[in-house]
Amino acid sequence: DAGVIQSPRHEVTEMGQEVTLRCKPISGHNSLFWYRQTMMRGLELLIYFNNNVPIDDSGMPEDRFSAKMPNASFSTLKIQPSEPRDSAVYFCASSFLGGENIQYFGAGTRLSVL
Amino acid sequence: EDKVVQSPLSLVVHEGDTVTLNCSYEVTNFRSLLWYKQEKKAPTFLFMLTSSGIEKKSGRLSSILDKKELFSILNITATQTGDSAVYLCAVYNTDKLIFGTGTRLQVFP
Repeated sequence: DAGVIQSPRHEVTEMGQEVTLRCKPISGHNSLFWYRQTMMRGLELLIYFNNNVPIDDSGMPEDRFSAKMPNASFSTLKIQPSEPRDSAVYFCASSFLGGENIQYFGAGTRLSVL
Repeated sequence: EDKVVQSPLSLVVHEGDTVTLNCSYEVTNFRSLLWYKQEKKAPTFLFMLTSSGIEKKSGRLSSILDKKELFSILNITATQTGDSAVYLCAVYNTDKLIFGTGTRLQVFP
């Protein structure tokens, strides 16, 4: 299995622009998680899906952030409009909730908002 | 509020030393505790601990959980430079993983 695949690996954009991060979970996993990692706050859960349905989005910082999971093999995290304080590494992870329950992480997207 | 606290924050050792990393937690609905290793990229899974007192072992790494005292330790024996990384402890509160801030381990030759 190729593992969790994220794209792009790096994104540099200007304040006010829309940013879309993409994630393909491990085949057969039923849950997908979006995290943000910064030096100040560590790894924070933004939102997670179970069977493509958003279960908990309490970690989404504000309305500028949105996430979708249209099918079992694809999810997006969108920031519109982006701000410099959104600069961070964004990780996607997937797991089989109810089974092994181990979250496997993608390589992350390093976002820089200028 | 759920929290996971790791100590020390940072550790510098020489190759061959043994290290112990600590993780204490307070969560509402504990299910299991996980350890991850993060080098420059994504966290990679090391161990999952669910029951107290049962040691998990993989090569030079081992870990144990104490559910009564709400902590876990990760031991690394005969450290190597390749063990240099941030070690993250995470605890499941129902279906959500709560991460600690990590222990940064640096191993020098």
